[in-house]
Amino acid sequence: QQQVKQSPQSLIVQKGGISIINCAYENTAFDYFPWYQQFPGKGPALLIAIRPDVSEKKEGRFTISFNKSAKQFSLHIMDSQPGDSATYFCAAGWNTGFQKLVFGTGTRLLVSP
Amino acid sequence: ETGVTQTPRHLVMGMTNKKSLKCEQHLGHNAMYWYKQSAKKPLELMFVYNFKEQTENNSVPSRFSPECPNSSHLFLHLHTLQPEDSALYLCASSQDPGPGPQHFGDGTRLSIL
Repeated sequence: QQQVKQSPQSLIVQKGGISIINCAYENTAFDYFPWYQQFPGKGPALLIAIRPDVSEKKEGRFTISFNKSAKQFSLHIMDSQPGDSATYFCAAGWNTGFQKLVFGTGTRLLVSP
Repeated sequence: ETGVTQTPRHLVMGMTNKKSLKCEQHLGHNAMYWYKQSAKKPLELMFVYNFKEQTENNSVPSRFSPECPNSSHLFLHLHTLQPEDSALYLCASSQDPGPGPQHFGDGTRLSIL
């Protein structure tokens, strides 16, 4: 129940295309859904996050779509650029006295020039 | 310095060695975390310290021993490790109560010979 399932494992998108990464969860206690971006040799960096009281959040080229009834959320990267090539992790969190996050297995995105 | 700083960046050690990983956060946060990142697996939460008190030990073997002397510093003491402990060890911090983002360091790449 505390797992987050992420797909696809890897993704190749042409420059200018749309990258879509999907995540699903089971635990309805989750109340925070961040996406992290990780470049080789670096730690994960927060990209964008959403709370379950909204269905969509957009920041620049990055959009989270959230479907509470389906227990699914996705990351859309519009106008994908080679600099977006990285590994993306979804996560789901809840507060148990501290902020606890459960992570997906990651999606390796390659944006071809 | 800003953010979360981890040292060393790389560590190679034999199974009988004792070493320590260090993490320092400059964000004024009150919670700090140790995660283990292995290939093709979700980030695994190891330990959580909230207001310097350990609040979570995620069934981590006793050969890993955390220490949190204050809200800005976190250590992971290593002793008699196994080859399967080779991984990237990430430190993170957050401001509790959440929900909110966890900020990660760039990790220590640990290799056990």
